[in-house]
Amino acid sequence: QKEVEQDPGPLSVPEGAIVSLNCTYSNSAFQYFMWYRQYSRKGPELLMYTYSSGNKEDGRFTAQVDKSSKYISLFIRDSQPSDSATYLCAMSEPHGNQFYFGTGTSLTVIP
Amino acid sequence: DAMVIQNPRYQVTQFGKPVTLSCSQTLNHNVMYWYQQKSSQAPKLLFHYYDKDFNNEADTPDNFQSRRPNTSFCFLDIRSPGLGDAAMYLCATSRAGLYNEQFFGPGTRLTVL
Repeated sequence: QKEVEQDPGPLSVPEGAIVSLNCTYSNSAFQYFMWYRQYSRKGPELLMYTYSSGNKEDGRFTAQVDKSSKYISLFIRDSQPSDSATYLCAMSEPHGNQFYFGTGTSLTVIP
Repeated sequence: DAMVIQNPRYQVTQFGKPVTLSCSQTLNHNVMYWYQQKSSQAPKLLFHYYDKDFNNEADTPDNFQSRRPNTSFCFLDIRSPGLGDAAMYLCATSRAGLYNEQFFGPGTRLTVL
């Protein structure tokens, strides 16, 4: 079983839709959770990070962590064509120097 | 702006011809990483340095080597590239601590002919 599971998609939504991206994990020691956005042929860009359980909001993006279910989500409100990219979840243990990635979900927002 | 820089952005090499990819950072982070990413896959960790301490992943091929001469720079050497080594190579940094974010460079896309 992989440490981190992520539905690869592809996901295609109309502009303005609410998008939900999800990852599950198996290691209960993970407490630091990140979402990256990666445009085609570019490096991943850190979008959101959260510590332990709860929600964090930044503009149109909300990151949610449910440690009891080992499940994290990224919500994108009012999606825009510029949000079209691959979204990677990543996580690590406290004081950990290793980051565990999902395989990424490919998102296309259609104008 | 503090950042992670990778050079070159695109590298073409011939089968078996050694190649070196470089990474520099202005973030003053003490941990640096090299990842290999193939199409539609998660980044795969090859190595990381915690300061000067080198950590090699168990399944990283011997064909791959790394050097970190100082805090700011890190190099990835591929001694004899094969066709299967064609990929995006990502450098990343983080600041060791309780909770830390990992920042990526733009990547070097390697083509092997």
